[in-house]
Amino acid sequence: KAGVTQTPRYLIKTRGQQVTLSCSPISGHRSVSWYQQTPGQGLQFLFEYFSETQRNKGNFPGRFSGRQFSNSRSEMNVSTLELGDSALYLCASSLGRVGNTEAFFGQGTRLTVV
Amino acid sequence: AQTVTQSQPEMSVQEAETVTLSCTYDTSESDYYLFWYKQPPSRQMILVIRQEAYKQQNATENRFSVNFQKAAKSFSLKISDSQLGDAAMYFCAYRETQGGSEKLVFGKGTKLTVNP
Repeated sequence: KAGVTQTPRYLIKTRGQQVTLSCSPISGHRSVSWYQQTPGQGLQFLFEYFSETQRNKGNFPGRFSGRQFSNSRSEMNVSTLELGDSALYLCASSLGRVGNTEAFFGQGTRLTVV
Repeated sequence: AQTVTQSQPEMSVQEAETVTLSCTYDTSESDYYLFWYKQPPSRQMILVIRQEAYKQQNATENRFSVNFQKAAKSFSLKISDSQLGDAAMYFCAYRETQGGSEKLVFGKGTKLTVNP
């Protein structure tokens, strides 16, 4: 069974540009969550999508957005990039059912903003 | 808001010895989940062990066990017979059971070094 796949693995962007990151969940998983990991702030929750609907959102500016497609694949978009957006972005997928607790993570996308 | 605190930024242990990583959390909920995740240099987060708050029995997974103290809001991880492959960042995480959200709240992590 294939794991969670994130693409690309590495990205270098310039301040002011926008970027789109992709996450393909494990087959059958309907929930996809996104996290930002930085040395200073640690792991912070961005948002979660379940069956194409945003179910929860973290405390990030509106420049961060996401969506989920009917096949559960999810994309995350960051517009008007700032230097502080440099981070490892992780996505996690799960069944999303009550009582089922395990989230599986991808290897992340390392975004560098210069 | 729920918070998770890991007070040990770094820990080290000799191979084959036992080490305990600390975690405390703050919540007003009575039912929730707690997790320990491992993140090796490959960056992929791997679930080590989980605990459901309504279960009084401490979870165990092979060499990994937890000491869950609900009243004290403490959730420590014990690694027995440490192996070189255990070297990684370890994150404690909290998830509420209400609302159907999969949101995890993480601590800042503990870097574990295993010395041969």
